[in-house]
Amino acid sequence: DGGITQSPKYLFRKEGQNVTLSCEQNLNHDAMYWYRQDPGQGLRLIYYSQIVNDFQKGDIAEGYSVSREKKESFPLTVTSAQKNPTAFYLCASSHLLARTNYGYTFGSGTRLTVV
Amino acid sequence: GQQLNQSPQSMFIQEGEDVSMNCTSSSIFNTWLWYKQDPGEGPVLLIALYKAGELTSNGRLTAQFGITRKDSFLNISASIPSDVGIYFCAGQLSGSARQLTFGSGTQLTVLP
Repeated sequence: DGGITQSPKYLFRKEGQNVTLSCEQNLNHDAMYWYRQDPGQGLRLIYYSQIVNDFQKGDIAEGYSVSREKKESFPLTVTSAQKNPTAFYLCASSHLLARTNYGYTFGSGTRLTVV
Repeated sequence: GQQLNQSPQSMFIQEGEDVSMNCTSSSIFNTWLWYKQDPGEGPVLLIALYKAGELTSNGRLTAQFGITRKDSFLNISASIPSDVGIYFCAGQLSGSARQLTFGSGTQLTVLP
């Protein structure tokens, strides 16, 4: 079955370290997105990409970086510049060219904790 | 960015009761979607609405696309314990290249 896979499910980072969160989809979706969710909060957009080798900053891109070298993959790096990285991170993907907008498909998330 | 006002922020209801939540905006949307997020998981699409006035059901869930295209509501009938979670509305603005704007979520707790 097609889907979107995030790994790892739980991640612990020491202060000052960079960490990379994986996101892979086999839905043949054009666009991919990264969101951050804090406890009791909604979804805040970090980065998104509509095509390979191109990506755009979202509302809270500072301290994060991404790459889109393959259509299926959109890894997110949380850098040491991100001062408060403890959060739940969600990856999503969607079609861009389908006549009907079927919305985003989300992964199951990665919970990042700074120790 | 563009805001969707989702209410209520949280709800505590007894099992068997009906639930209603809604989203409003000052902008016109082409598509409205409702998602549910279980604890520790990603949101899952419940209902998608594509035309003003459209009323769509999915089991005990019913959602409507407002006539003005600026609002949508979700009703859950006869709530059960597994309805617990966060419900998000999402809308697609005209010309937004299919990007979605999300509401802040409604946290639903069902008491036995």
